[in-house]
Amino acid sequence: GEDVEQSLFLSVREGDSSVINCTYTDSSSTYLYWYKQEPGAGLQLLTYIFSNMDMKQDQRLTVLLNKKDKHLSLRIADTQTGDSAIYFCAERAGTALIFGKGTTLSVSS
Amino acid sequence: DAMVIQNPRYQVTQFGKPVTLSCSQTLNHNVMYWYQQKSSQAPKLLFHYYDKDFNNEADTPDNFQSRRPNTSFCFLDIRSPGLGDAAMYLCATSSVGRGKETQYFGPGTRLLVL
Repeated sequence: GEDVEQSLFLSVREGDSSVINCTYTDSSSTYLYWYKQEPGAGLQLLTYIFSNMDMKQDQRLTVLLNKKDKHLSLRIADTQTGDSAIYFCAERAGTALIFGKGTTLSVSS
Repeated sequence: DAMVIQNPRYQVTQFGKPVTLSCSQTLNHNVMYWYQQKSSQAPKLLFHYYDKDFNNEADTPDNFQSRRPNTSFCFLDIRSPGLGDAAMYLCATSSVGRGKETQYFGPGTRLLVL
């Protein structure tokens, strides 16, 4: 079945780049997503990438997709304290989203 | 602004006492979803409505039901909440078949069962 794996924690200093990694299993996934969740809040869509793309850039965010290895990454440039949150990778399976367990990003000043 | 709204943001109920969570959307999306997210876990899909068609996930307990009286509103009913049902409940919408299938989430309702 589908499964999405992420590392659980990442700690960076303010101003550094953050790279959050994700692996997925369903090679037929057409879209892959990154969501951000702040404490006690819902999921905020950050960005998504279509499966026929290798890279997508959106301001400070860069998504890289390696379909051969089923590996997705999210790079946040110039990480700020406001970026501290849980980041979820998700793949679409039919109409449902399959989420990873989330990576907690901690940004220290 | 077009959005997904969930009410209430926090809900406290007693063990076994039925509770209803509400979701509304101004996006005019045809699909509405309910996810359950327990502490430190990934959101898990309970069911979704594709227009008026209800689609239950195979492992969703019978204790959980849903209603969608119109395009804008969708309700999650928990008939007899147990302590294990305490979680964040997330509503999401998407526009499937119209080229915009990204899911947009509401802020969630945190349910506490006493």
